[in-house]
Amino acid sequence: DAKTTQPNSMESNEEEPVHLPCNHSTISGTDYIHWYRQLPSQGPEYVIHGLTSNVNNRMASLAIAEDRKSSTLILHRATLRDAAVYYCILRDSKRGSTLGRLYFGRGTQLTVWP
Amino acid sequence: DSGVTQTPKHLITATGQRVTLRCSPRSGDLSVYWYQQSLDQGLQFLIQYYNGEERAKGNILERFSAQQFPDLHSELNLSSLELGDSALYFCASSAWGSNEQFFGPGTRLTVL
Repeated sequence: DAKTTQPNSMESNEEEPVHLPCNHSTISGTDYIHWYRQLPSQGPEYVIHGLTSNVNNRMASLAIAEDRKSSTLILHRATLRDAAVYYCILRDSKRGSTLGRLYFGRGTQLTVWP
Repeated sequence: DSGVTQTPKHLITATGQRVTLRCSPRSGDLSVYWYQQSLDQGLQFLIQYYNGEERAKGNILERFSAQQFPDLHSELNLSSLELGDSALYFCASSAWGSNEQFFGPGTRLTVL
């Protein structure tokens, strides 16, 4: 499975935008880019996913580089509740693949200051 | 609330013992996944079931086994427990073809 590289930690102030980077230079054409986050003492939570085009939802935006070797999760206005570990994960979408499983790396610990 | 329930929330047991962790997926979800989260290994995929059948295996020890029942709930059985098995165990579920997995609150296992 293709791997991802994320910074260990990042910090932000409340109500400021946050850009969380992820490198995935060995991504294949059928890999979707997924982001999950894990709040303290909770299970992981889906944030967003994309294949080639930028994506927006109520939680965040996902910006994908044209060569797909990197992506950025954007939280438009960080809140204290956004303090969590953010995981960037590649998930194979090939037909017949049993790879519904998610491979979590160490993720990025986001600290949000009031 | 993800809709996935796990019991028990906490479990404390001794080395050599056997425990069973239970997971009820979201209503209608046929896929169930088990993950282990420890401080040194992070979050690791263990095993996946779909509609009662094993679909994929990850880093699951031979001392561990799982099954998914006709009502779609799943159980993870851990036997001959060792200190290193102390971890958080998460269950997740998803609909077939969905890109989103919904995680339960986890079971914290402590082996003394």
